Amino acid sequence: EVQLVESGGGLVQPGRSLKLSCLASGFTFSNYGMNWIRQAPGKGLEWVASISSSSSYIYYADTVKGRFTISRDNAKNTLYLQMTSLRSEDTALYYCARHYYSGDGFDYWGQGVMVTVSS
Amino acid sequence: DIVLTQSPTTLSVTPGETVSLSCRASHSIGTNLHWYQQKTNESPRLLIKYASQSISGIPSRFSASGSGTDFTLNINNVEFDDVSSYFCQQTQSWPRTFGGGTKLELK
Repeated sequence: EVQLVESGGGLVQPGRSLKLSCLASGFTFSNYGMNWIRQAPGKGLEWVASISSSSSYIYYADTVKGRFTISRDNAKNTLYLQMTSLRSEDTALYYCARHYYSGDGFDYWGQGVMVTVSS
Repeated sequence: DIVLTQSPTTLSVTPGETVSLSCRASHSIGTNLHWYQQKTNESPRLLIKYASQSISGIPSRFSASGSGTDFTLNINNVEFDDVSSYFCQQTQSWPRTFGGGTKLELK
C-alpha cells in the first residue's frame, strides 16, 4: 500500500525556519518525482515545489523561491522541505504527493502537516 | 504563468442530477489537465488524468473532456458521496497551477 506520511509541522514565529519531512512507503520511491503542495485554511491548492526522481530537476513557486528548498534522500525514502524566512502567508496545510512522468497528475497524496506562522 | 479559472465557484444540485464543472486555461495546455476531488478534511484524490483518462477505482459516473483551453468534468447521477471540492491542475508548464476549485453541494 502506497503511503506518504508528512511530519515536522508546528507553530513557528515569523522569520524562523522549519523543515518538513515526507516518509514514503509501499512503492519504489527513487522512481517517482515528488511534490509539495499547500492549502491555506479554507482556501484552494497551491503548488509549492517539485523534484525529479534523481534530484536533477527542481522547481519552485515564485512565492517560495529563495526561501524554501526541496530535497530528497532516496536511501531513506524521504522527501524534505526546508523552509526559511517564514511569513504569516506561509500558514497552511502542507501535502507531499508523487508523480511518475513529468506531466502526470499527482496520484498519491499524504495526509498533510500543518504549519502555522505566528508571533 | 498559466491561470486556470474554474466555474461555477459553488454548485448546488439534487441527487441524481448530472452536472458539468468547467476549467478554463489562460493559454493552451493541450490535454495536460488533471482533476482532483477533495472531501472536507481529507487529502485531494486524483479523479481524471490528462483531460479525459479514467483512473482505476474512480466511479464511472465521473468523466471529463476537453483540450487546449476549455475542459469539463461531468458527474452523472450525483450522489451524496460526491459532496466535495473539485480542482483542476495543469502540468503543461512550470509553475504547476491549480484552479480555484468548485464546491459541490447537495440540496
